[in-house]
Amino acid sequence: NAGVTQTPKFRILKIGQSMTLQCTQDMNHNYMYWYRQDPGMGLKLIYYSVGAGITDKGEVPNGYNVSRSTTEDFPLRLELAAPSQTSVYFCASSYLGQNTEAFFGQGTRLTVV
Amino acid sequence: AQSVTQLDSQVPVFEEAPVELRCNYSSSVSVYLFWYVQYPNQGLQLLLKYLSGSTLVKGINGFEAEFNKSQTSFHLRKPSVHISDTAEYFCAVSPRGGSQGNLIFGKGTKLSVKP
Repeated sequence: NAGVTQTPKFRILKIGQSMTLQCTQDMNHNYMYWYRQDPGMGLKLIYYSVGAGITDKGEVPNGYNVSRSTTEDFPLRLELAAPSQTSVYFCASSYLGQNTEAFFGQGTRLTVV
Repeated sequence: AQSVTQLDSQVPVFEEAPVELRCNYSSSVSVYLFWYVQYPNQGLQLLLKYLSGSTLVKGINGFEAEFNKSQTSFHLRKPSVHISDTAEYFCAVSPRGGSQGNLIFGKGTKLSVKP
């Protein structure tokens, strides 16, 4: 049972480059989320999706885009990477949303130089 | 809007000692409450949650938490910690009836268990 899988685990980007962080889940969860974690700051919600074809902004969406074409996949796109996007990114999924357990991936550590 | 305050950023404790990690929240509506644990270089996993009913909630690995509505607190406790409990712990809230995905995290408490 793979759960939530994120790739890559580590990445170094140059300023202005773009990349896609991949996230896939095999639990048939309808809700999926992207968070960023900065030291001493907890987790901030970037985007979330309540089902295929439906996405919405979280607390810190600027500089990111998402899509949800299938139940399983929820990629996060960074356009024009900036040093402020250096962070650890976590993808998560849950079945019903707010009152049920969210399952997290192992994270992607991104450095923008 | 909701906010979560974890009162201690770091808690050092000796093995087999009791520990309490404090969490206070602010919300104009009722909330669901969660504690997550993050081991080094891993994602978060759920320790326990309070949805309704008994205010004392038991979770995995011997942890428990008590919801106190009047003090808007949800402190996490363990009577005897192990080295393996060394991790970062996050308190989180989600408003009842609010928009999906609205899980608000505290800044985390790093628990360091020493032999």
